[in-house]
Amino acid sequence: SQTIHQWPATLVQPVGSPLSLECTVEGTSNPNLYWYRQAAGRGLQLLFYSVGIGQISSEVPQNLSASRPQDRQFILSSKKLLLSDSGFYLCAWSRGSFKNIQYFGAGTRLSVL
Amino acid sequence: DAKTTQPTSMDCAEGRAANLPCNHSTISGNEYVYWYRQIHSQGPQYIIHGLKNNETNEMASLIITEDRKSSTLILPHATLRDTAVYYCIVSQRNAGNMLTFGGGTRLMVKP
Repeated sequence: SQTIHQWPATLVQPVGSPLSLECTVEGTSNPNLYWYRQAAGRGLQLLFYSVGIGQISSEVPQNLSASRPQDRQFILSSKKLLLSDSGFYLCAWSRGSFKNIQYFGAGTRLSVL
Repeated sequence: DAKTTQPTSMDCAEGRAANLPCNHSTISGNEYVYWYRQIHSQGPQYIIHGLKNNETNEMASLIITEDRKSSTLILPHATLRDTAVYYCIVSQRNAGNMLTFGGGTRLMVKP
C-alpha cells in the first residue's frame, strides 16, 4: 500500500530564517506531487505541483520554492521566512491517471515569529 | 466565482444519516463532483466522486441530480469520528492542479 510521510509535524522559526520541509511517498512510482498551504480557518491553497523529477509548476508567486530531486521526494523551501508564511503545509500525491484523487500527508504546522 | 455553494455548518445525531448538500449550478459537461473531508488538524481525505450517476463506496454515497446542478453526500450512519469539514469540489477529471478547497461544511456529529 502507499504511504506519504511529511515532517516535521510542527515547526517554530524566526523571521528571516530558512525553511526546508520534506515529503516522501512510498509504494508507488512516478506520482504527481503537490504542496498546499492552509491559513488558520481557511481553505487550502495550492502552492506547487510536480508531474516528474525536476518538473515544478508554481501556482502563486511567493517567498517559497519547491524541488523534486527524486521520484518520490518533494521539498518545500524558503531562503528567508516571512511572518505571512505561517500556516499549515500539506503535501499530497496522486496517480497520473487520477490527478483529482489526492492523498494527503499529516501536515506541518509552521509558526514564523 | 465560487463553483460550489455549501452550508457553513450542520449538526447530525450519532447513528443517523448525515446529508450534506452542495450546489454547483454552473458545472460543465466534463466536470466531476469530488468530496473530501478534513478532520481537525489533519490533512484532507478523499471520500468519493461522480460525474452524473449516483455512486457508493465504503465511506459514503453521492447523489447527483439529473440536471447535475446539485449533489448530496450521504454518510449513512454518522459517528463522532465523522465530525469534520466536508469539501465539495467541481473539477475536470484529470486536472490535478485545479482542486479548489473552499470553505466547506463543518459537520458536527453529536451523541
